[in-house]
Amino acid sequence: SQQGEEDPQALSIQEGENATMNCSYKTSINNLQWYRQNSGRGLVHLILIRSNEREKHSGRLRVTLDTSKKSSSLLITASRAADTASYFCATGGGGADGLTFGKGTHLIIQP
Amino acid sequence: EAQVTQNPRYLITVTGKKLTVTCSQNMNHEYMSWYRQDPGLGLRQIYYSMNVEVTDKGDVPEGYKVSRKEKRNFPLILESPSPNQTSLYFCASSSPGLAKNIQYFGAGTRLSVL
Repeated sequence: SQQGEEDPQALSIQEGENATMNCSYKTSINNLQWYRQNSGRGLVHLILIRSNEREKHSGRLRVTLDTSKKSSSLLITASRAADTASYFCATGGGGADGLTFGKGTHLIIQP
Repeated sequence: EAQVTQNPRYLITVTGKKLTVTCSQNMNHEYMSWYRQDPGLGLRQIYYSMNVEVTDKGDVPEGYKVSRKEKRNFPLILESPSPNQTSLYFCASSSPGLAKNIQYFGAGTRLSVL
C-alpha cells in the first residue's frame, strides 16, 4: 500500500520561526494530504495537493509536491504556540479504503 | 455542525469482555473507516465501509468486527478484547465527491484492555 513517511520525527523551534516538514511516499498518487493532530485528539485536514500541482497555499501553510521525487513538504510560516501538534501526510486512491498515513512529525513551538 | 461523534471517549475493560465503540456522522458521507493509532506505528486502518451493508477489511482487521446498517453509524465491535488491542481508536468519514477523500475524524476513543 502507499505510505508517507515524514521527516523529521520531531522538530522544536522558537515561536515566530518557520517550520518545514517533509514527506516521502512510495507509489504514484492522485493527491496528497496533510493533517494536524493535537495531543490525543482527532486528525484535522489541513490541505490537499493534487498530483498535477506543484505548490499550494492556505494561510500560513505552504505545501509543495515533487512527484518525480515522490516527496512533499509542509511549511508553516511565522509559527505560533498553537501550532504545536503532530503533522501527518497521507496518500490514498480516493476510494472508500481511506488513506495511508505516515508516522508523523511532532512539532513543538517554544514560546 | 458537521461532525463525527465517537463514544465512549475513554474505556477501560478486561480481557474477553465484549465491547462496542459507536461512531456517528451527520454529513451524509458514504465512506466510513476505523483506524487505530499506536506509538511508533502511526495510524492503521482496521475496517472501512463504502456504504450501507458494504464493509471491507483494512490493514489490521484481526480481532475486530464492524457493521453498517445505517448510513450515519459505523460501530466497531471487539468480541473478545485482548491487551494488544489497547490503543487510540479513530472513526472517520468521507465522501467520494469533489472532496477527494478528505477524511473527517472523530475525537478518538482511548481503550485500555487489562
